[in-house]
Amino acid sequence: TQLLEQSPQFLSIQEGENLTVYCNSSSVFSSLQWYRQEPGEGPVLLVTVVTGGEVKKLKRLTFQFGDARKDSSLHITAAQTGDTGLYLCAPTSGGSYIPTFGRGTSLIVHP
Amino acid sequence: DVKVTQSSRYLVKRTGEKVFLECVQDMDHENMFWYRQDPGLGLRLIYFSYDVKMKEKGDIPEGYSVSREKKERFSLILESASTNQTSMYLCASSLDSLTQYFGPGTRLTVL
Repeated sequence: TQLLEQSPQFLSIQEGENLTVYCNSSSVFSSLQWYRQEPGEGPVLLVTVVTGGEVKKLKRLTFQFGDARKDSSLHITAAQTGDTGLYLCAPTSGGSYIPTFGRGTSLIVHP
Repeated sequence: DVKVTQSSRYLVKRTGEKVFLECVQDMDHENMFWYRQDPGLGLRLIYFSYDVKMKEKGDIPEGYSVSREKKERFSLILESASTNQTSMYLCASSLDSLTQYFGPGTRLTVL
């Protein structure tokens, strides 16, 4: 059974601050996705990473996949109130094509 | 854009009632999924379907059943609702399973 951990569980910051959230496991991932879920809505895909060491940028968001493909991070530069939401990592592993969702990091950005 | 719709945003039912949650997608996706989301537990997979009339159990299928009579529609059925089934229910569809497109969710309260 894959143990998937996201940290921190909660994060409350001021607009303009930088932050990093993490997704870690004891297993090797085949691929990993990051989703953002806004209050009252379903999750929306932000990015998919598949190669160890891969870095992808989406405006102010930078996603990194660990070299060993066991971990990933999401860094947000100069956070805005619109970044508020639940950030979920969802890796696939072991030949399964269905992702396992982490418990998420709940981010609140205050104006 | 992919659109996944769910029949209700909010639903209140009584213990013992039979409950139907409907999900429709408009992108001809093969795969459809039902999750429940609870605070501190993240998204947990209930059932999924990779084709019409095909279904597979997820991680927590007990107390639920599903129906996929048409490609675009995937229904979740609670045969006899119980209070521990109070939750947010999320439907998703995907073409390649890696990228899941979620509906807005149904918040079900069982009294």
